[in-house]
Amino acid sequence: GAGVSQSPRYKVAKRGQDVALRCDPISGHVSLFWYQQALGQGPEFLTYFQNEAQLDKSGLPSDRFFAERPEGSVSTLKIQRTQQEDSAVYLCASSRWRERSNQPQHFGDGTRLSIL
Amino acid sequence: SQQGEEDPQALSIQEGENATMNCSYKTSINNLQWYRQNSGRGLVHLILIRSNEREKHSGRLRVTLDTSKKSSSLLITASRAADTASYFCATPIIQGAQKLVFGQGTRLTINP
Repeated sequence: GAGVSQSPRYKVAKRGQDVALRCDPISGHVSLFWYQQALGQGPEFLTYFQNEAQLDKSGLPSDRFFAERPEGSVSTLKIQRTQQEDSAVYLCASSRWRERSNQPQHFGDGTRLSIL
Repeated sequence: SQQGEEDPQALSIQEGENATMNCSYKTSINNLQWYRQNSGRGLVHLILIRSNEREKHSGRLRVTLDTSKKSSSLLITASRAADTASYFCATPIIQGAQKLVFGQGTRLTINP
């Protein structure tokens, strides 16, 4: 079956522009995660959805970052008024959900965002 | 903030040798996961070990977990060039949470 799909794969934007990154999770996966990965580092958690509910957004670095998953499937991560420090790879992952148990997360190949 | 820390940060070995990577974490956990990331790609889940397990195998992979020392190790036996990648351990930030915290990873290079 299809894996997690992210688009675009690469995005270049000028400082101050708004960007939107899309994630298509595996069909039927309840949980959806966004991560930010700097070069040479591990992924850093941004936010978590269970269906359409955003249950944890503690990792969003500022109020310029906004994520949504209105119908509980596709998710969009939006960054407003981009800054150079926003340059990173943004990874989306989805998983099944089981109460009080972690399930393996399935990752997309990410969107590499470069802010000029 | 990062919960887990991998050791070593980089490892280079000859094809056919075994590779061992270690992970230490800080809080009590109910499971620990290992992931692989090839350059320019997303992470691929390798194995999940629960806190009541001490060792788990999957093909050429062997994972151990020592909850008393808050550490885990990943052993890849009979390494192949295709094993060249970065390897990350990940733990839930608190028990029962869905949020995972990843270490900085071990960059493994297998030389043919």
